[in-house]
Amino acid sequence: DSGVTQTPKHLITATGQRVTLRCSPRSGDLSVYWYQQSLDQGLQFLIQYYNGEERAKGNILERFSAQQFPDLHSELNLSSLELGDSALYFCASSVALLSDEQYFGPGTRLTVT
Amino acid sequence: GENVEQHPSTLSVQEGDSAVIKCTYSDSASNYFPWYKQELGKRPQLIIDIRSNVGEKKDQRIAVTLNKTAKHFSLHITETQPEDSAVYFCAASKKAAGNKLTFGGGTRVLVKP
Repeated sequence: DSGVTQTPKHLITATGQRVTLRCSPRSGDLSVYWYQQSLDQGLQFLIQYYNGEERAKGNILERFSAQQFPDLHSELNLSSLELGDSALYFCASSVALLSDEQYFGPGTRLTVT
Repeated sequence: GENVEQHPSTLSVQEGDSAVIKCTYSDSASNYFPWYKQELGKRPQLIIDIRSNVGEKKDQRIAVTLNKTAKHFSLHITETQPEDSAVYFCAASKKAAGNKLTFGGGTRVLVKP
């Protein structure tokens, strides 16, 4: 157990819908990263937050957004869902902005039908 | 941006033999190289990492080597056991990019008893 928690474990929804994925980092970790894992794209970085502020962005679609709250938990919002958004979504946390080690949560499996 | 290539994509070894996975990276500014093990449906688990100021690091049956000049790094697993069967991912990051991880495509390792 990495200490990073994610809810829900599984999510099944229809095209066009909107979902919110939640992540709580390890105790004391200020930095949260979101990654998407799909069969054809592998593990890809989406976005990073540090202490409530967005710090880095990857190839995140405009339909996707995220935020980090004062208690440091983070939410990833996916809207206008398409079949291709079906994937495993992981968050990872690290202690500080420039800390190397990232520890992954158990992931949320999103299925869009 | 950074590009990480990983080979081979699949690797089958006999229990007790060694396994070697190789990765190359493109950005000479990358300075942190972790390896993750992922079992089916589970989170990526950090198993070992190496920083650019070190050439080799060992942890029991696992070792990682880094050649900065050639921009490649490798994972070595000795005395493989069936529980080593999983998908292994290499990654690279640099502090200037907020330590976001760029992953290789993964290697599926099967250890045959």
